[in-house]
Amino acid sequence: GQQVMQIPQYQHVQEGEDFTTYCNSSTTLSNIQWYKQRPGGHPVFLIQLVKSGEVKKQKRLTFQFGEAKKNSSLHITATQTTDVGTYFCAGGGGNFNKFYFGSGTKLNVKP
Amino acid sequence: DAGVIQSPRHEVTEMGQEVTLRCKPISGHNSLFWYRQTMMRGLELLIYFNNNVPIDDSGMPEDRFSAKMPNASFSTLKIQPSEPRDSAVYFCASSPDRGQNSPLHFGNGTRLTVT
Repeated sequence: GQQVMQIPQYQHVQEGEDFTTYCNSSTTLSNIQWYKQRPGGHPVFLIQLVKSGEVKKQKRLTFQFGEAKKNSSLHITATQTTDVGTYFCAGGGGNFNKFYFGSGTKLNVKP
Repeated sequence: DAGVIQSPRHEVTEMGQEVTLRCKPISGHNSLFWYRQTMMRGLELLIYFNNNVPIDDSGMPEDRFSAKMPNASFSTLKIQPSEPRDSAVYFCASSPDRGQNSPLHFGNGTRLTVT
């Protein structure tokens, strides 16, 4: 089946530093979604990328979808303690909105 | 919008007992998904329904697991008999249509502990 790999598994940064997580798929994806899960919480949808090479921004967050639609990245500029959580990519979509989640990157931000 | 509602929030049971997890999707959403989250395996898609019909249950780990969706506003995931390795957080999620570009809306999850 489809596999979505995500790195790194953990990232510890000082507040104000940048953070990037990468997502790679073994197959071409219809689209990719990003979710954030706070400790003890549930995944919350952040954004979806559909087009090859697409770049979207949400304030300090920048999302990219690779030209081949097999990889994606999330970059956070100048992290804040409110960014703490686990960031998941989810690749797939298709006719029934079936998404395969990456393993997630757990971000810890030290004040 | 009350969001996806799951119950119970926590369930502790002994090995061999039957466990039933419940989910109420967002009204108007016609796709429903059951995920399991563990440290070792991350978020695994167990089964999903579209218009109350099971579309793909290939992620269901064993015959001990079963899921139903008797109507558009209710789904259950049952484990019988339960085993300690079933301990995990089980999430239900719904999305508004069968289209390719729909966000998943997750419930708060049920934390299951099997002793």
